[in-house]
Amino acid sequence: LAKTTQPISMDSYEGQEVNITCSHNNIATNDYITWYQQFPSQGPRFIIQGYKTKVTNEVASLFIPADRKSSTLSLPRVSLSDTAVYYCLVGDGGKLIFGQGTELSVKP
Amino acid sequence: GAVVSQHPSRVICKSGTSVKIECRSLDFQATTMFWYRQFPKQSLMLMATSNEGSKATYEQGVEKDKFLINHASLTLSTLTVTSAHPEDSSFYICSARVVTGVGEAFFGQGTRLTVV
Repeated sequence: LAKTTQPISMDSYEGQEVNITCSHNNIATNDYITWYQQFPSQGPRFIIQGYKTKVTNEVASLFIPADRKSSTLSLPRVSLSDTAVYYCLVGDGGKLIFGQGTELSVKP
Repeated sequence: GAVVSQHPSRVICKSGTSVKIECRSLDFQATTMFWYRQFPKQSLMLMATSNEGSKATYEQGVEKDKFLINHASLTLSTLTVTSAHPEDSSFYICSARVVTGVGEAFFGQGTRLTVV
C-alpha cells in the first residue's frame, strides 16, 4: 500500500481557504485518493475521493496533478467547526490504512 | 448516507474480564468490515479485516486470540476483547464499505474502552 505523508498540523483563521497537501510517491495505477475528517472521540467521516485532475463536492475540492504523486484537499472558507484531523488515504478498495493525518486548527 | 452503528459507545470493565463491541450496518449489507484501534493523539491502527462467514484477517502484531472477531451476518460484526488489561484501554472503531472496491467507507462512532 502506498505510504502517505502530510503536514502534522496547520493553523488557519475563519473564512480562509485551507489547502492540505498529501504526498504519495508510490501510488499504484489502481489506487484512488480519499480524504477523511475526524473529530475527537468520533469515527472518521468521508470528505472526498478522486483518481485524477479535480473533484469537487459541496464541502471540498480535491486537486490531483497528472503524475498523481501528491494531492491537495482544499477547504473553502473554513469555520471553527472545521477544526479536526484530516487524513489522506491511498488504496484500490482493499484495506484502509491511515497515516498520521493533519491536525487543522481554525481560529476566530 | 449509509450508517454504521457501534455499541456500546463507552464501557468500563475490570481487568481480566471480556468485553464485546458490536458493529452494525443499519441500512446496507457489508460483506467486509474493518476494526481499528486508536490511542490518544495517534492515528487509527487497523487491527483486522472481518469477512462475513469466514475467519477474520488480522494485521501483524495483533493477537487474534485476544481480539476475537465474528462476522456472523452481512450487517453485524463483533469484536471481543478477552481478558482485558489496562493497556487494552483505547478507542475502538469499526468501518464498512457499501460496495466492494473503491468508494466511501462508513465508520461507526467508536467505542471508548477503559480497563480498570
